Amino acid sequence: LAKTTQPISMDSYEGQEVNITCSHNNIATNDYITWYQQFPSQGPRFIIQGYKTKVTNEVASLFIPADRKSSTLSLPRVSLSDTAVYYCLVGYSGGYQKVTFGTGTKLQVIP
Amino acid sequence: GAVVSQHPSWVICKSGTSVKIECRSLDFQATTMFWYRQFPKQSLMLMATSNEGSKATYEQGVEKDKFLINHASLTLSTLTVTSAHPEDSSFYICSATGVANTGELFFGEGSRLTVL
Repeated sequence: LAKTTQPISMDSYEGQEVNITCSHNNIATNDYITWYQQFPSQGPRFIIQGYKTKVTNEVASLFIPADRKSSTLSLPRVSLSDTAVYYCLVGYSGGYQKVTFGTGTKLQVIP
Repeated sequence: GAVVSQHPSWVICKSGTSVKIECRSLDFQATTMFWYRQFPKQSLMLMATSNEGSKATYEQGVEKDKFLINHASLTLSTLTVTSAHPEDSSFYICSATGVANTGELFFGEGSRLTVL
């Protein structure tokens, strides 16, 4: 199982771009990288998924270097409502047989 | 996207009673479901993995006789906390992967259990 390491917490002002990096040194060839957002007392919510290079959707971008040993979630122009815990997960797209969560990153957006 | 629903969203029970939490995939067939528990300000901890029609696989340290998991159909998995005690109070979350296996995990809203 690929273990992930993220910063425990981050602070950012409203309107700024936030980059959260996740380290996953023993990622396997078949593994995809997925990021989730969790608000208090709610289940995690899917943000973005990628395998390599760059992926962008309407809410975030995901940057994955060639060696895939890390990934960076980029949130453009954060707002107060982006205050949440962000988790990166690594697993095989053909079936998440056993996915464990790391510590996640608590993002606090400041007015 | 696919929807996973949990019920109840919160429950309070007396010590010694059993509580059942349901996890349903509303618009897809879930071949595999996962159950997590989460204590305040902590990450999700995987409790068990269940595949439809077979026995659940429990993580080390999770008592299978205390946390009964049933995955009798492709759209429903249940977690029963038997003889609950205050230390079982937690936030329980299920997730599911579908037959199509897009690689995305679909999470339920979570169920808050408080044992008095």
